[in-house]
Amino acid sequence: GAVVSQHPSWVICKSGTSVKIECRSLDFQATTMFWYRQFPKQSLMLMATSNEGSKATYEQGVEKDKFLINHASLTLSTLTVTSAHPEDSSFYICSARAGFSTDTQYFGPGTRLTVL
Amino acid sequence: GDSVTQMEGPVTLSEEAFLTINCTYTATGYPSLFWYVQYPGEGLQLLLKATKADDKGSNKGFEATYRKETTSFHLEKGSVQVSDSAVYFCALRSQAVIFGKGTKLSVKP
Repeated sequence: GAVVSQHPSWVICKSGTSVKIECRSLDFQATTMFWYRQFPKQSLMLMATSNEGSKATYEQGVEKDKFLINHASLTLSTLTVTSAHPEDSSFYICSARAGFSTDTQYFGPGTRLTVL
Repeated sequence: GDSVTQMEGPVTLSEEAFLTINCTYTATGYPSLFWYVQYPGEGLQLLLKATKADDKGSNKGFEATYRKETTSFHLEKGSVQVSDSAVYFCALRSQAVIFGKGTKLSVKP
């Protein structure tokens, strides 16, 4: 099946620094990519949706200036957490979909971010 | 907006017991419905899906039927195994996949 990878799998950073997380679709072209955030023992909350070459659409309550999303190619999307703070510590999961009409979203393994 | 409500866990069962995890949804139109599973230490995996009313999704002994009249998509398995221990998420697709809060299942030998 289709594979979505994320890098890094975990990262620890100091408060005030920025962290970039990469999401790649390895064997298909992803017209749409999604970023989710999962808090401990809670569900995945959709943060934003991005189509290749377009600006990301952010969900209500998600700060677009803090969570910068770039979907520069059909196989790569990046999420940059700017000026990270401890409350940004979470599990970030990306997902990719091959076309607008398909239902199937493939999920990456997630990135554990810890901000000290 | 669209949303998914599923029964809260944790659910603890003995091996070979019958499993039901309830899920209901609110959506405009007729979304596709999914069950995802997250095993300990692993990423999300699609377990099964149904794309229209009365469709039954099935995989690995799990089943769920898309019930438009009750807006439900309950997950069932006739005989659970220890290896089924995981967190199960009911979900629907609107613009993106929207998840329920998840139900943790623990199966004891």
